[in-house]
Amino acid sequence: KAGVTQTPRYLIKTRGQQVTLSCSPISGHRSVSWYQQTPGQGLQFLFEYFSETQRNKGNFPGRFSGRQFSNSRSEMNVSTLELGDSALYLCASSLGWNGEQFFGPGTRLTVL
Amino acid sequence: GQQVMQIPQYQHVQEGEDFTTYCNSSTTLSNIQWYKQRPGGHPVFLIQLVKSGEVKKQKRLTFQFGEAKKNSSLHITATQTTDVGTYFCAGPGSGNMLTFGGGTRLMVKP
Repeated sequence: KAGVTQTPRYLIKTRGQQVTLSCSPISGHRSVSWYQQTPGQGLQFLFEYFSETQRNKGNFPGRFSGRQFSNSRSEMNVSTLELGDSALYLCASSLGWNGEQFFGPGTRLTVL
Repeated sequence: GQQVMQIPQYQHVQEGEDFTTYCNSSTTLSNIQWYKQRPGGHPVFLIQLVKSGEVKKQKRLTFQFGEAKKNSSLHITATQTTDVGTYFCAGPGSGNMLTFGGGTRLMVKP
């Protein structure tokens, strides 16, 4: 089985711009979660989608949004980028509720 | 909201020494998961513990889930350079959202 894939792997943006990151889960996995990882804050939960519905949302501002498509692929969008949004964004898929998370390689976002 | 704390944040050991990381949750957990992230890599699932007092072993790694299901530990016997990385615990919180601890970064001197 192919693993979780994320595109792009690296991204450089400037403040005020917006960005869309993509995640393709493992085939058959319907749950997709997004995390932000920074050296100081560790792994912070952004949101989780299951069958195109957002089931959970972490404590992030409304500039962070996401969606899931009928094929379980997911995208997350960050609008009006700030310097503090520079981070590794990880997507993880799982079979169900709180199951083993399979992480993708991440997208390294740098905001200048 | 739920908090998951891990100690220590960093640990330097000489190759061959033992290593332990501890995880504490502010709330009772239905289960706890452990992940390992190698430098430059992404977290990889190691194990899930579900039962109170459960102990599981994977070669040199021993995982424990506390009796009250609020704490857990990971012990590595005779560390090797391949054990280098950050070890995270994670538990489901409100809304079954998975909350990760801050991680323990293990460095091994050969």
